[in-house]
Parts: sequence; C-alpha cells; structure tokens
Amino acid sequence: QVQLVESGGGVVQPGMSLRLSCAASGFTFSNYAIHWVRQAPGKGPEWVTVVSYDGRNKNYAASVKGRFTVSRDNSKSTLYLQMNSLRADDTAVYYCARPRISRVRDDAYDIWGQGTMVTVSS
Amino acid sequence: DIVMTQSPDSLAVSLGERATINCKSSQSVLYSLNNQNYLAWYQQKAGQPPKLLIYWASTRESGVPDRFSGSGSGTDFTLTISSLQAEDVAVYYCQQYYGTLLTFGGGTKVEIK
Repeated sequence: QVQLVESGGGVVQPGMSLRLSCAASGFTFSNYAIHWVRQAPGKGPEWVTVVSYDGRNKNYAASVKGRFTVSRDNSKSTLYLQMNSLRADDTAVYYCARPRISRVRDDAYDIWGQGTMVTVSS
Repeated sequence: DIVMTQSPDSLAVSLGERATINCKSSQSVLYSLNNQNYLAWYQQKAGQPPKLLIYWASTRESGVPDRFSGSGSGTDFTLTISSLQAEDVAVYYCQQYYGTLLTFGGGTKVEIK
C-alpha cells in the first residue's frame, strides 16, 4: 500500500546534528514533491520544508532556514532531512507528507508517515 | 506568512448534534486563475498523524463520511460535522496551501458532551 515511513529520530543535545529519513513505497516517489511537517508536544502542526519531485527546488520555514537541509534520492525512494545546530524548540514529532497531486508542490496532504520523535535536551 | 486562526479552541457537543469549527486566514487563499480556495481540513486523533478530510475548502476526500462538510471562501471557512459520532472525537486543523510557506491553524478539540 501507499506509505511513508520515517526513521532517525532520537534524543540529542543542543547544538548537535541528526538526519531523518522518510522511505516511500506503493507509489512513484519521483513524481511527487514531499514535505516535512513537525508537531511539538501539545501543539499544532508546523510546516518545515518541501522538496520538489526532481529535487531541484526547496523551500524552508524561517525557523529552520540555514540549519536544516532537505534532500531526496529518487533511486532509493527516500527523503532526508539533515538537521544541524539543533535547539530545544526543535523538539517535535517529524512527519513526512505527500501532496495529493503528482508534480504539484502546494496541495493538501493525503499521505502522512507515522512520524519520528526528535528530542533536543541537555 | 499567512496566519490561520481557528475558533473555538475546544468544543463539547452531544452525540448526534452538529459541530461547527471556524477558520480565518490573514489573507485570501482564493486563487483567481482557477477559482479554488487553497484550504484543507484535517482530523488528528491521539497518537496518530493528521488525516485529510477536506481539500479545496469543500471537497471531501475519498472515504470520508458525508457528515463532514466544508464551506467558505476567501478568508473565512467552516468545517461542519452534521451529526457527531463517538469516533469523531479528535483535534481538527485547517491548513492553507496557497502561500509559499504552508501554515496550519492552532486546532480545535472536539469532545462529547
């Protein structure tokens, strides 16, 4: 079935780095932009970043710009999020999410992963 | 950034009664070229990712019960649950996908009275 599976979360100290992965299956990954969305405990979702279907175009939320880098390997159907200089306010569940329509960046998300928890604490 | 403001923060409704959730955007999310509102509604149950209910402000996602409906245009939107069921207990979020930076509302928690 169509699914996204995140991995790579964990507990890290402030200032450290972490790389998240999002493995896709059940659809043609290379046809879809993919987004990262995070949700801090007890809060609403917050959009983090998006990469276009071909990896050429990327956008970031102001809160992560310059610290986080999104990338994808279409040959492996996998999305990555490299997170550097982590801060306590980056603590959240990180989800990857797929827009409904192929090759469209901005659209409602019909597929979400189960999420991976990132905790930044000393 | 487009700011999404939801009201109320929480709502307690009796089983079988109507629940109404409002969402207001700080600027219009209506795209004139295709006359579509770039507004979605999601349902999130405890420990689960959000689930898409409505897109284009009023189009129900496949498999979503018809007691869920969306309405509105421009900057003001509403999600209505016509007859609340026990399984509808959740937090509901609106999201705009008009702007370069997508944004969500703060959420409305729906409970049974």
